[in-house]
Amino acid sequence: AQKVTQAQTEISVVEKEDVTLDCVYETRDTTYYLFWYKQPPSGELVFLIRRNSFDEQNEISGRYSWNFQKSTSSFNFTITASQVVDSAVYFCALSEWNSGSARQLTFGSGTQLTVLP
Amino acid sequence: GAGVSQSPRYKVAKRGQDVALRCDPISGHVSLFWYQQALGQGPEFLTYFQNEAQLDKSGLPSDRFFAERPEGSVSTLKIQRTQQEDSAVYLCASSFRTGSGNTIYFGEGSWLTVV
Repeated sequence: AQKVTQAQTEISVVEKEDVTLDCVYETRDTTYYLFWYKQPPSGELVFLIRRNSFDEQNEISGRYSWNFQKSTSSFNFTITASQVVDSAVYFCALSEWNSGSARQLTFGSGTQLTVLP
Repeated sequence: GAGVSQSPRYKVAKRGQDVALRCDPISGHVSLFWYQQALGQGPEFLTYFQNEAQLDKSGLPSDRFFAERPEGSVSTLKIQRTQQEDSAVYLCASSFRTGSGNTIYFGEGSWLTVV
């Protein structure tokens, strides 16, 4: 069975600080996909990134960066120079491989990030 | 439309009432998912459609929950005889193709409160 753990329930930072959101996953599959989604108060889940289990290269997109380490089963997300608009709940999710059809996402419980002005 | 559209956005139902939640996925998307999100929790999978075929309904919590996608586009999630524990946000999502690596796009959800 697959599982995603986001141990940080809430994080508060002051604007312009860097912040890292932790994600640890469990899966028995060797092929899988990892995702991060942002959920603002409006409720919509906004896709941020997708990585497959064979690509451990870290990725940077503007102020966002992701650190994928298979050795520790972690897929952490860092926001540099945080802004008030980054305030939201962030979810890490896992999808196991199935060549026949799409598999559903298993989500962590989310991290509420509050960026104070 | 440009994104996944859900209606109603907010629904208050009396306990025992039936409700129907509608999802209009992104045009051309083959896969459609329903998730349930309780307050303070991550979304949990309910059911999955590939075109009009319901391929996985393992997440539906009881036989009071029923979903359909008769023409392979719009989907409806129906909850019969609603209970207070059904209060949650119901999220619909779609993806262009099948396969685990495809990005799944979510709607804003239907917020159901059962009183």
